[in-house]
Amino acid sequence: EAGVTQFPSHSVIEKGQTVTLRCDPISGHDNLYWYRRVMGKEIKFLLHFVKESKQDESGMPNNRFLAERTGGTYSTLKVQPAELEDSGVYFCASSQGAGRSLSSYNEQFFGPGTRLTVL
Amino acid sequence: AQSVSQHNHHVILSEAASLELGCNYSYGGTVNLFWYVQYPGQHLQLLLKYFSGDPLVKGIKGFEAEFIKSKFSFNLRKPSVQWSDTAEYFCAVSRYNQGGKLIFGQGTELSVKP
Repeated sequence: EAGVTQFPSHSVIEKGQTVTLRCDPISGHDNLYWYRRVMGKEIKFLLHFVKESKQDESGMPNNRFLAERTGGTYSTLKVQPAELEDSGVYFCASSQGAGRSLSSYNEQFFGPGTRLTVL
Repeated sequence: AQSVSQHNHHVILSEAASLELGCNYSYGGTVNLFWYVQYPGQHLQLLLKYFSGDPLVKGIKGFEAEFIKSKFSFNLRKPSVQWSDTAEYFCAVSRYNQGGKLIFGQGTELSVKP
């Protein structure tokens, strides 16, 4: 079974440019999460999809970040325009099950992450 | 304030030494507790998890963790580490009925000297 994949693995862009990160979850996983780790800090939650719906986007830093999951399969996270403080590693994770309570009990499988550097 | 706190940023041990990594959280109510590990160049993967029942949880590769509710702690232990345990370890918490989002500690880098 293929794991969670993310593309690209690395991205280096200049401040003000746009970048789109992609995550392909494990097939059949309804839950898809985005997390970010800024250097030297903890991994922080960004948002949670259940199928194509945003369940929780409380961790999104600001309106420069836009996440989509059309059709409930892969997800994209767009940063526009990118700022220096957006640099970090962006992780995607997926899990089975749906619902606010059930989701808590399911193991999240993580992708390798996308390392974003904004110059 | 940090909601999930890992006591050590970097731990250096020799092979065969015993390991204990501390983790405390500050949430009340029902929580689920996890330890994840990231080996060099690899994905984050689950070591072990606690949802309910026996507070002593056994995971993969000889790791175990003990949930002490009164202390809001979930410390990770291994009696004898190996060089291959060199990795970064993350404690994480999810709160009941919040969709499973994980709240991570800042991570502990473990270096095991051969």
